Amino acid sequence: DAMVIQNPRYQVTQFGKPVTLSCSQTLNHNVMYWYQQKSSQAPKLLFHYYDKDFNNEADTPDNFQSRRPNTSFCFLDIRSPGLGDAAMYLCATSRDLARSDTQYFGPGTRLTVL
Amino acid sequence: SQKIEQNSEALNIQEGKTATLTCNYTNYSPAYLQWYRQDPGRGPVFLLLIRENEKEKRKERLKVTFDTTLKQSLFHITASQPADSATYLCALPLMNRDDKIIFGKGTRLHILP
Repeated sequence: DAMVIQNPRYQVTQFGKPVTLSCSQTLNHNVMYWYQQKSSQAPKLLFHYYDKDFNNEADTPDNFQSRRPNTSFCFLDIRSPGLGDAAMYLCATSRDLARSDTQYFGPGTRLTVL
Repeated sequence: SQKIEQNSEALNIQEGKTATLTCNYTNYSPAYLQWYRQDPGRGPVFLLLIRENEKEKRKERLKVTFDTTLKQSLFHITASQPADSATYLCALPLMNRDDKIIFGKGTRLHILP
């Protein structure tokens, strides 16, 4: 089945220790998104790639970076995680940037910062 | 600024009854609205999209209405089942952005057996 896969499902890191979360998709979608979701909160868009074009949200901290080496993979790098970065990180894809395009989400990675 | 409001209180519904969830928005007239389901520890799953020129959309036991005058969407689950228990999120396109949707916080629904 075509899908969005995130690894690992659970990640524990130490305060200030860089961490990378990965996302892959078999949908061959042009757009890949990274969201941060804290408990009982709405998913918050961090950035997205449309093909190779990167679009960072204005309020995304510099501590968060992303890479998309090819159509299938996208990575979220947190350079120096703080306690406030503990959250669920969701990867999503959509076929295009058309305004009504459905987003397909992965299962998420739960990040714990010690 | 654009706001989405969903009832933050959990909704408890008896099995077999109709569950109705509300999504209100302000300061905007979106061209469409989406509903997603999210289970604990999982990513959201798309359910339905309704456009501004559609009053109602149905999919199996699900029905969504879109009242652009009231700036409100209602999400109904008829003949509710315990398996329908989840958090339901509404999402709207961001004003003046083609590439972004914003989500409400969601309403947690519990279907009681």
